[in-house]
Amino acid sequence: DIQLTQSPSFLSASVGDRVTITCRASQGIRTFLAWYQQKPGKAPNLLIYAASTLQNGVPSRFSGSGSGTEFTLTISSLQPEDFATYYCQQLDSYPRTFGGGTKVEIK
Amino acid sequence: QVLLAQSGAEVKKPGASVRVSCKVSGDSFTTHNIHWIRQAPGQGLEWMGWVNPNSGVSDSAQRFQGWVTLTRDTSISTAYMELSRLKSNDTAVYYCARGAIGLDYYYGLDVWGQGTTVTVSS
Repeated sequence: DIQLTQSPSFLSASVGDRVTITCRASQGIRTFLAWYQQKPGKAPNLLIYAASTLQNGVPSRFSGSGSGTEFTLTISSLQPEDFATYYCQQLDSYPRTFGGGTKVEIK
Repeated sequence: QVLLAQSGAEVKKPGASVRVSCKVSGDSFTTHNIHWIRQAPGQGLEWMGWVNPNSGVSDSAQRFQGWVTLTRDTSISTAYMELSRLKSNDTAVYYCARGAIGLDYYYGLDVWGQGTTVTVSS
C-alpha cells in the first residue's frame, strides 16, 4: 500500500498568514492526488484534484502543486473559515490511502 | 445538486453486523462508483472500498476483505456497506463518497454523504 505522510500534523497560524502543508508519498503517484478540507462534525470537502486543479467553487487562495512523491497545499492568505483539518489522498492505486491529516488552528 | 444521503446512526453490540445505506439523488446513479471511508473518533480518514453501481463489482482494502460487503440497488439509486463481526474499535463515522467511474484517479471524490455514526458497545 502507498503511504502518505503529511507535515506538519498540526499548525497554528493567524488570519492573513500564508500556510503550506506537505504530503509525501512512499512511492511515485504521478499527479493523482487530491486534497480535502474537513471541519468538525462535517464530511470532508474536495478542494483540489489532480494535484493542482481547483474544484469548482473553491476560493482561489487555495492552490496545490507537486508530482511524483512530493506535494503541497498552499493557502495564500488564511481566512477564518479555513481553520480546519486537511487531508491528502492518493488515487494512483488501490487502496486509495489518505494522509494522516493536518489540523490548522488559530494562533 | 447532487446529494448522497446516508442512513441514521446505529448502536450495535460486539459481534453483530451493521448495514449503512447511501442514496444518490440529483444525478445519475450509474456514472460514479461509490466509495466508503471511515473515521474513528479523533482519528484520520481510512478508505475501505468501492462498488461499481452498474456491474455490482466491488473491491475493498485488504484489511477489510472477508469482513465488509459492498452492494448496491440500482432501482433505488442506493449503495450499501455491511460490516460484520463488529468490535469496539469499529466505532466510527462511516462516509460514502462518489468517484467518477474510470476517472476517480483524476477527479477524486467530489461529493460525500453526511456520515453515519456507528457505535459498537456492549
